[in-house]
Amino acid sequence: QSALTQPASVSGSPGQSITISCTGTSSDVGSYNLVSWYQQHPGKAPKLMIYEVSKRPSGLSNRFSGSKSGNTASLTISGLQAEDEADYYCCSYAGSYTLVFGGGTKLTVL
Amino acid sequence: QLQLQESGPGLVKPSETLSLTCTVSGGSISSSNYYWGWIRQPPGQGLEWIGNIYYSGTTYYSPSLKSRLTISVDTSKNHFSLRLTSVTAADTAVYYCASSASWAPDAFDIWGQGTMVTVSS
Repeated sequence: QSALTQPASVSGSPGQSITISCTGTSSDVGSYNLVSWYQQHPGKAPKLMIYEVSKRPSGLSNRFSGSKSGNTASLTISGLQAEDEADYYCCSYAGSYTLVFGGGTKLTVL
Repeated sequence: QLQLQESGPGLVKPSETLSLTCTVSGGSISSSNYYWGWIRQPPGQGLEWIGNIYYSGTTYYSPSLKSRLTISVDTSKNHFSLRLTSVTAADTAVYYCASSASWAPDAFDIWGQGTMVTVSS
């Protein structure tokens, strides 16, 4: 069970859109629509942003959206804002009642 | 509103056992509506899923930690616990407890603030 692969960093200017990829295998991302995304600001606990590939928790901004194609899931943030600067982690169900996280992506808002 | 709070020693010696507790407030740990989980984060690194437990006591463990790990529920104290044996420096991390809805057990929507555990002599 290996960690999912995410880019180490992405960046964008305020108002722009960015996409963070999360690549797994046919044993995790590719087999289940159970991918979630978390936002983590420095020194804080993670916050759930997306679950079941594309669903948003109640009250979360619709600037955040998720999708999946094959073994790769993606998180898109539109209308980038300064407060979006954080680390983002994907997580997938990996079968046999186990979960696996990605290595994390640092988003910088220029 | 459900709230979670981790507690336990901040320093553990190598080869000893790491024990943490997560106290649940604003809801019952006996509720069938939630799964309870542990996630850790080594300094400067990413998140690692440790394991989950359901109110019934059914547990789900990370394959890489399974041989050293026990997660349990104490309904009388409304808390759940983590016990990791034979720790090494690689177990040094911030440990988070979290909860997920029973209909989405993979999505942790409530988190504790985290507690730092250092393994050192």
